[in-house]
Amino acid sequence: QKEVEQNSGPLSVPEGAIASLNCTYSDRGSQSFFWYRQYSGKSPELIMFIYSNGDKEDGRFTAQLNKASQYVSLLIRDSQPSDSATYLCAAKQLIKAAGNKLTFGGGTRVLVKP
Amino acid sequence: GAGVSQSPRYKVAKRGQDVALRCDPISGHVSLFWYQQALGQGPEFLTYFQNEAQLDKSGLPSDRFFAERPEGSVSTLKIQRTQQEDSAVYLCASSLVVTGVPQETQYFGPGTRLLVL
Repeated sequence: QKEVEQNSGPLSVPEGAIASLNCTYSDRGSQSFFWYRQYSGKSPELIMFIYSNGDKEDGRFTAQLNKASQYVSLLIRDSQPSDSATYLCAAKQLIKAAGNKLTFGGGTRVLVKP
Repeated sequence: GAGVSQSPRYKVAKRGQDVALRCDPISGHVSLFWYQQALGQGPEFLTYFQNEAQLDKSGLPSDRFFAERPEGSVSTLKIQRTQQEDSAVYLCASSLVVTGVPQETQYFGPGTRLLVL
């Protein structure tokens, strides 16, 4: 079992709809979580991070964290064709011995259809 | 300011050749990371530097992989005697702060796509 799991997709979403992406993690030492977007052939770019239980909103994006359930999600409202990409969920521990490395899931491919 | 840069962007190597991949982090960023991303997979951690000190190399897949950051800025990832399974995108990331800060974020370079024939 991978430490960070994501559904590989593709998640097909009509333009203007809400895309809901899920991520689960197994290591309870994970303290902060990051969502990156990666276009084909490009490098990951940070969308947002979350480290407190609850919701965090940034524009059309909302991240949700539930540490008890070891679950992180990302909602994309008013999805646009330009949102079509792979979304990577990453977890980071804050234990010094573990360093700052990010542990990534395999990514969820999102397709927004006009 | 400029982001993380990497060179070369593409590298084709014959099996058994040595390769060197370069990373220029964002100016002033203390932490530098190398990740390996296989096709269709998420990035996997290779190694981490804090300034010039290599504090974690637990992700390096074999002793053929070696990384350095001698002056605490530019870093080089070297792969000796390349094998076909080394074919992947090698991503470099940097971050400003050291550790212990939950919102410390890593910014990725464009990657080097390595193909070993």
